[in-house]
Amino acid sequence: QKEVEQNSGPLSVPEGAIASLNCTYSDRGSQSFFWYRQYSGKSPELIMSIYSNGDKEDGRFTAQLNKASQYVSLLIRDSQPSDSATYLCAVKVRGGGADGLTFGKGTHLIIQP
Amino acid sequence: DGGITQSPKYLFRKEGQNVTLSCEQNLNHDAMYWYRQDPGQGLRLIYYSQIVNDFQKGDIAEGYSVSREKKESFPLTVTSAQKNPTAFYLCASDSGGSWETQYFGPGTRLLVL
Repeated sequence: QKEVEQNSGPLSVPEGAIASLNCTYSDRGSQSFFWYRQYSGKSPELIMSIYSNGDKEDGRFTAQLNKASQYVSLLIRDSQPSDSATYLCAVKVRGGGADGLTFGKGTHLIIQP
Repeated sequence: DGGITQSPKYLFRKEGQNVTLSCEQNLNHDAMYWYRQDPGQGLRLIYYSQIVNDFQKGDIAEGYSVSREKKESFPLTVTSAQKNPTAFYLCASDSGGSWETQYFGPGTRLLVL
C-alpha cells in the first residue's frame, strides 16, 4: 500500500519567516517527488520536483530529500502572504513509464502579515 | 498557448445519470491522468493512459470509465454506478517517463442534484 503522510495543519508562520513543510512516504521504491501548491478552489501547480538525495533550491523554495529516512521536505524562505495555500506532497513510485502520483492530504499554510 | 483544458467548470448530475467530463491537452504529452479530490483530501488516481487506445485503472476506478481515441483527449464518464460522485475532478498530463512532471487542468466540480 502506497502512503504519503503530511501534517494537515494549519501551519501558521509570520511574514518573512521560514515555513517548513514535511512529508513521509511508505514505498521504498519511490522514484520521484513533487511539491504542489493549491489555492482554494483551484488546481494544483508545481512548486518543486526532486529525484535524488540532498537539497534542491529554486528561488525562495528548497526541497530536501532523504531516501534512507523516506522523508521529503519543502522550505519556503521569506514567506509572503501569497504563499498561503495548501501544499501537496506527491510521489511517483514505479519507474519506466507513465504512472499516477500518490498524494498526501496536504498541509494548510497560513502566512500572517 | 499550450495547456490543459477541462470542461465544464461545473457539472450537475441527476440520480441515475451518466455524465462525461472533457479533458484536452495541446502539450503533445503521451500520458494523461484523471484524479478525484474530496474536500480536505489529497488527490486520488481514477484512471491513466500512457498511449492512445490504452488505459489503466487507478486506485478508485469503480463507477468510472474512460476512452483515449486521440492523443489530445481523455474524457472521463462518471456512471450511475458511482454512488458518491460529488468531488473536484482533475485531469493531468505528462510525457510519460518516470521523471516527468504532471501538469494539471483547471478542474471540473461535479455536484449531485
